[in-house]
Amino acid sequence: ETGVTQSPTHLIKTRGQQVTLRCSSQSGHNTVSWYQQALGQGPQFIFQYYREEENGRGNFPPRFSGLQFPNYSSELNVNALELDDSALYLCASGPSGRGTDTQYFGPGTRLTVL
Amino acid sequence: GESVGLHLPTLSVQEGDNSIINCAYSNSASDYFIWYKQESGKGPQFIIDIRSNMDKRQGQRVTVLLNKTVKHLSLQIAATQPGDSAVYFCAESNTGGFKTIFGAGTRLFVKA
Repeated sequence: ETGVTQSPTHLIKTRGQQVTLRCSSQSGHNTVSWYQQALGQGPQFIFQYYREEENGRGNFPPRFSGLQFPNYSSELNVNALELDDSALYLCASGPSGRGTDTQYFGPGTRLTVL
Repeated sequence: GESVGLHLPTLSVQEGDNSIINCAYSNSASDYFIWYKQESGKGPQFIIDIRSNMDKRQGQRVTVLLNKTVKHLSLQIAATQPGDSAVYFCAESNTGGFKTIFGAGTRLFVKA
């Protein structure tokens, strides 16, 4: 167990809807990264938050947005859902925002878009 | 563009044998490499990492080898056990960066 928790575990939405996924970081960690993992593929980096500010972003459109709260928990919001957004969404926390930090992953939220 | 790829999508080994999982990377700026294990229904779990100033690092039953000349990374698992059955990902990052790039993964099957 990594101490990183995510909710909900599973979620079903329809195309065009909006979704919010939540992540609670490991104690003492101030950085959270979000990843999208399509079936049979490796995780793809969405963005990272460090001390409540976006620290970097991958190749995802603006309808993917996030927040990090003072307690370092985090949300991933996806607007105007598309079928291709169906995936496992993973968050990972780290201690300092450096690229060489060990990241600790949560179990993920499985999103299905119909 | 950047990519971290794996040579084999699946690997099947006999219990007790050694396993070797290979990975190629293309970003010369990467100086930190990580292996993750992902079991069904779980998030990736850190196994071992290595920095670019090293060419070998050992953990408990695992060894990572880094060949910067050919941009190749490998994970060796000694005395493979049924509990080692999972998908293994190599990943790369760099000092001062924020993004970790994952490969597609290799599924390891351990036969009893």
